[in-house]
Amino acid sequence: SYEVSQPPSVSVSPGQTASITCSGDKLGDKYTCWYQQKPGQSPVLVIYQDTKRPSGIPERFSASNSGNAATLTISGTQAMDEADYYCQAWDSSTVVFGGGTKLTVL
Amino acid sequence: QVQLQESGPGLVKPSETLSLTCSVSGVSISDYSWSWIRQSPGKGLEWIGYIYSSGSANYNPSLKSRVTISGETSKNLFSLKLTSVTAADTAVYYCARGGSHSTGIDRWGQGTLVTVSS
Repeated sequence: SYEVSQPPSVSVSPGQTASITCSGDKLGDKYTCWYQQKPGQSPVLVIYQDTKRPSGIPERFSASNSGNAATLTISGTQAMDEADYYCQAWDSSTVVFGGGTKLTVL
Repeated sequence: QVQLQESGPGLVKPSETLSLTCSVSGVSISDYSWSWIRQSPGKGLEWIGYIYSSGSANYNPSLKSRVTISGETSKNLFSLKLTSVTAADTAVYYCARGGSHSTGIDRWGQGTLVTVSS
């Protein structure tokens, strides 16, 4: 079965740029999404179709997908961005989630 | 606006069937696909399956033999049944909109904790 992997944790200083990668075989050939989940809350879609932001998601969230990796980038990271982030792809009409990355803003 | 609310028993005995319902308001379930996703305590998200607007479904291969997702358009809700549960099925279960398309899973319920224990 298809798998995507993420680093367990990423740290960033406030105001700096955070990058979270998601790796999978030929991932660039598939659409990816990214979700943000804060403690005790339901996940929120922050990126869909590789690069698009749903309404209400700040412009500081951007993403790319090429080759074997997708990347979520948060520019000017704020304390409120501290959360778990999950990438998600499709493989043969099945949904695949990455293991999640805990973003720490310190 | 679109709202989803999970309901069902919070405690299920081992070997029995877990049954949850997701009530949807603000949109017709006939217009979208709908997913179930779970999250074991302290762990990541696991996709269980989704139902298309047509009523057909796709399931996680690792759970396929035990899962059924169905919709009830007259009541605007969809349901999850997971048979032969074990402690490993203890998780927060989320219902959500989407999953079958590249637009992602864009609305989530608040989640409901289901514990498998005798």
